Amino acid sequence: KAGVTQTPRYLIKTRGQQVTLSCSPISGHRSVSWYQQTPGQGLQFLFEYFSETQRNKGNFPGRFSGRQFSNSRSEMNVSTLELGDSALYLCASSFTGYNEQFFGPGTRLTVL
Amino acid sequence: QQQVKQSPQSLIVQKGGISIINCAYENTAFDYFPWYQQFPGKGPALLIAIRPDVSEKKEGRFTISFNKSAKQFSLHIMDSQPGDSATYFCAANLGYEGSNYKLTFGKGTLLTVNP
Repeated sequence: KAGVTQTPRYLIKTRGQQVTLSCSPISGHRSVSWYQQTPGQGLQFLFEYFSETQRNKGNFPGRFSGRQFSNSRSEMNVSTLELGDSALYLCASSFTGYNEQFFGPGTRLTVL
Repeated sequence: QQQVKQSPQSLIVQKGGISIINCAYENTAFDYFPWYQQFPGKGPALLIAIRPDVSEKKEGRFTISFNKSAKQFSLHIMDSQPGDSATYFCAANLGYEGSNYKLTFGKGTLLTVNP
């Protein structure tokens, strides 16, 4: 069974640009969550989607947004990038969102 | 507000020794407590998880001990090996009733197992 896949694996952007990250969950999983990981703040929850509906959103500015498609694939978008957005962005999938969550390898975003 | 506190931040253990990582939580509504292992350049991998109705769960060399009254849980790695060197995260989830569908993570413990 294939795991969670994330594309791209690495991104370098400059301040003010926008970026879109993609996540394909494990087959059959309908819940997709996004987390930001930084050395200082650790793993922080961004948002969670289930059947194309956002059920929860973390404490991040409106520049961070996401969506989920009918095939459960998800994208997150960050607009007007800031230096502090440099981080590893992780996607996790699960059947329901309140049990085991399985993480992808992440997308390493560097903002210059 | 950090709802899951993890200690120590770093841990050095000799090969064959026991590694112990502790976590404490505040929200008594948490219903699911997983541990993740993360190697550099990789995403966190689910290692083992426990629910509050069980005081201990063992999978191979990894054991979770859970103390509901103290609101604490810990990961024990028996016979630690150099290949166990990684960052370990504890986490908590609200579970089905009242779920907010997110994991709240501890800050992580960097484990180094010396050969």
